[in-house]
Amino acid sequence: AQSVSQHNHHVILSEAASLELGCNYSYGGTVNLFWYVQYPGQHLQLLLKYFSGDPLVKGIKGFEAEFIKSKFSFNLRKPSVQWSDTAEYFCAVLDQTGANNLFFGTGTRLTVIP
Amino acid sequence: EAGVAQSPRYKIIEKRQSVAFWCNPISGHATLYWYQQILGQGPKLLIQFQNNGVVDDSQLPKDRFSAERLKGVDSTLKIQPAKLEDSAVYLCASSLDQSVGETQYFGPGTRLLVL
Repeated sequence: AQSVSQHNHHVILSEAASLELGCNYSYGGTVNLFWYVQYPGQHLQLLLKYFSGDPLVKGIKGFEAEFIKSKFSFNLRKPSVQWSDTAEYFCAVLDQTGANNLFFGTGTRLTVIP
Repeated sequence: EAGVAQSPRYKIIEKRQSVAFWCNPISGHATLYWYQQILGQGPKLLIQFQNNGVVDDSQLPKDRFSAERLKGVDSTLKIQPAKLEDSAVYLCASSLDQSVGETQYFGPGTRLLVL
């Protein structure tokens, strides 16, 4: 069964610092991976997703993630964070049974200090 | 484009009471999902509908939870009777169809507190 691990529970950064949030998955076959973000008081929304092809995926708001198959990782990065990036970030893997179900990690809370 | 609507936004009940949540997906979206998000955890899928049929309800505690989507549009999730451990945010999401990787759009959630 698929599972997702996010080891950073709470990350605190100053504005302009670089960000990398870890995500590891357990499934050894073909994987489809996602990062969702939940800004304070808002809905969960898709940040980016990886299906195939270029392992470096660009998302909205300057975020990117790199799929490294040998490390079972899909870490989220941003070169320079802003106060508005304060949010909760969830990594998710797609169920491979074909039902388009998502398995989410426990989330990482990012606080950006102005 | 209107997003996924959910109501109520908040609900407080006592254990053993029943409660129902409502979801209206994005217009034209055939697939609807209910997730449970317990504090400190990621969302966990409870049930997935394709139109008015159930695709996956393997994680739904069927002794107390039920869900329906009778006309293939709106959906209702019910808990009867509620337990303390049901305190969570219940998220509804929808996607155009159930194709692998089809983007899921989430609603604001219903925050349930069971006392």
